[in-house]
Amino acid sequence: DQQVKQNSPSLSVQEGRISILNCDYTNSMFDYFLWYKKYPAEGPTFLISISSIKDKNEDGRFTVFLNKSAKHLSLHIVPSQPGDSAVYFCAASAGYFGGSQGNLIFGKGTKLSVKP
Amino acid sequence: DVKVTQSSRYLVKRTGEKVFLECVQDMDHENMFWYRQDPGLGLRLIYFSYDVKMKEKGDIPEGYSVSREKKERFSLILESASTNQTSMYLCASTSTALYGYTFGSGTRLTVV
Repeated sequence: DQQVKQNSPSLSVQEGRISILNCDYTNSMFDYFLWYKKYPAEGPTFLISISSIKDKNEDGRFTVFLNKSAKHLSLHIVPSQPGDSAVYFCAASAGYFGGSQGNLIFGKGTKLSVKP
Repeated sequence: DVKVTQSSRYLVKRTGEKVFLECVQDMDHENMFWYRQDPGLGLRLIYFSYDVKMKEKGDIPEGYSVSREKKERFSLILESASTNQTSMYLCASTSTALYGYTFGSGTRLTVV
């Protein structure tokens, strides 16, 4: 039973347009959410995060929106660039480490292709 | 610059071989993790460790074991490699005070 779901395995967007990647979760105990970006043959790198006390966090071209009532978050990339082409993983955490509750739970990823 | 270093980027091993994947972090992190990534399946947790000599099974521990003799090093062991263990293996670490993980560059393992 997936606690973090990325229902779109892939997304194709034209350069300069907006990319919107979606993520749904089921566990109401999750209180911190992250997005990771992964290029082929490399490890994932942290992109942006949001705490459950916020509904928006912005960093340059990247904005994450959190809708707690819908248990939904989204990553917006504006404007999209060809270098953004990668797999994006959504992840969620239920709190402290030292117990498995704190482990990040990852979605299966969405492959974004930005076409020139 | 903080780092998680995986000893090999690419490995080719034969079926039945014992395989060691090494991971070292220089951030004094307590927590370390091993994942595998396969197309369509995302990141699946194999094992993790919260402290030296401690280990916990993740979602897919079968066919794997781990060793954490020192805080900075977390090894993944394939006791008898099989072709279905061909995958990208990713090591990650984090501190108790942090939420995010730092990942290594990954090891692409092919078992033939």
